[in-house]
Order: sequence, then structure tokens, then C-alpha cells
Amino acid sequence: AQKVTQAQTEISVVEKEDVTLDCVYETRDTTYYLFWYKQPPSGELVFLIRRNSFDEQNEISGRYSWNFQKSTSSFNFTITASQVVDSAVYFCALSEGLKTSYDKVIFGPGTSLSVIP
Amino acid sequence: SQTIHQWPATLVQPVGSPLSLECTVEGTSNPNLYWYRQAAGRGLQLLFYSVGIGQISSEVPQNLSASRPQDRQFILSSKKLLLSDSGFYLCAWSSTESNQPQHFGDGTRLSIL
Repeated sequence: AQKVTQAQTEISVVEKEDVTLDCVYETRDTTYYLFWYKQPPSGELVFLIRRNSFDEQNEISGRYSWNFQKSTSSFNFTITASQVVDSAVYFCALSEGLKTSYDKVIFGPGTSLSVIP
Repeated sequence: SQTIHQWPATLVQPVGSPLSLECTVEGTSNPNLYWYRQAAGRGLQLLFYSVGIGQISSEVPQNLSASRPQDRQFILSSKKLLLSDSGFYLCAWSSTESNQPQHFGDGTRLSIL
């Protein structure tokens, strides 16, 4: 069965520190997609990244980077030089590749990140 | 570009009253549409999804219903609200192309008194 685990419920860091948010997933499919979303205090979920299971290349976008490792079923998210605006709940999510009519996305429980000035 | 609108942003309702939350998408045709609920401090629970007009699937049995009267309109309803219906409701859309990201509205905070 599909499952997404984010073992870190809450993390606090001081501004400018680096922080890594862990995500471990379970799936029996060989084709699947992984996502990260950010939910700031205002509430809306913002899409950050999508990765398919055949692309293990790490990705960097500004201060954000993602490390996808199939061997450990992990898709970790690192924020470099954190800022107060990074304070949010971050969700990791999984979608299986073989679809019939819609994309059922399994969300992890989320990690609440607080960046302290 | 595509946008998603959800309203109202905040709602306070008494127990037993009806509910109607509306969500509309602009800039795309025939999107997949979703309603999620997020209880305080918890993750996201998928309530309903729709792949077309009049096509609604429910993920969990509950006191709520959904309708899709138009291609880009998705409505969440209840005839009689329960205290347990309190939460943060999020509407989302995605392309019908497989495994595209879902894009979320700003959400509605619903408090039941």
C-alpha cells in the first residue's frame, strides 16, 4: 500500500541555518511521482516540486534542494540559509504512475518548520 | 494562466445549519477537481474528487456532499452541519494529464458552534 512518512512533526531552526525535511515513501509501483508542497500560515498549499521515479537527479532551485534516493525510498528537502519566510508546514506527497481516471495523491502528515529570527 | 478561487475564506455556522462552499477554476478546461479537509494540526484528507461534470466520487463516508454543475465549478455542501465538520477546507484542481501537481485554493476556515 502507498504511504508517506514525515517523521519530523516540528522543527525549529535559527535564521540562516540549513534544515533538511525528511520524507520516506512506500509504494509497490515502479512508476510513481513525488511532490513537495508548502503551506504558509495563510493556509493555501503551494506546489514546490514534482519528481518521477525514473529521475533520480537531485534538483536545486535557489535555496531549495531535493535529494531523491530510490535505494532508501526517500525524497528529502533541504533549505539552505533559512529565512523567516520559510516558516510553514511542508507536505511530501506520492502519486502512483498507473492511472485510470484521476490522480490519487497520498500526502504525508507534514512537518511544521519554524525559522526563528 | 490558471487560477482557482474559493469562498468564503472564513465561515462560522451553528450546528444543524446547511453549508455551501464554492470553488471555481479559470484558465483551463475539464480539470480534475478535489475537496480536502484539514483538521487543526493534522494532514490532508481527501473528501471528494471529480473528473467531469456531474461525476463525483467520495473517498470517505460523511455528512457532506459535493456537486459539479459546471466544468470549472465544484461545490461542497451539507444539509445539517455537525461539530465534527469544523476544519479547513481546501479545493484543488489538476490537469487531466496523468500525475500533474494539484493546485490549491486559499481555503475556507469553517467553525461550527
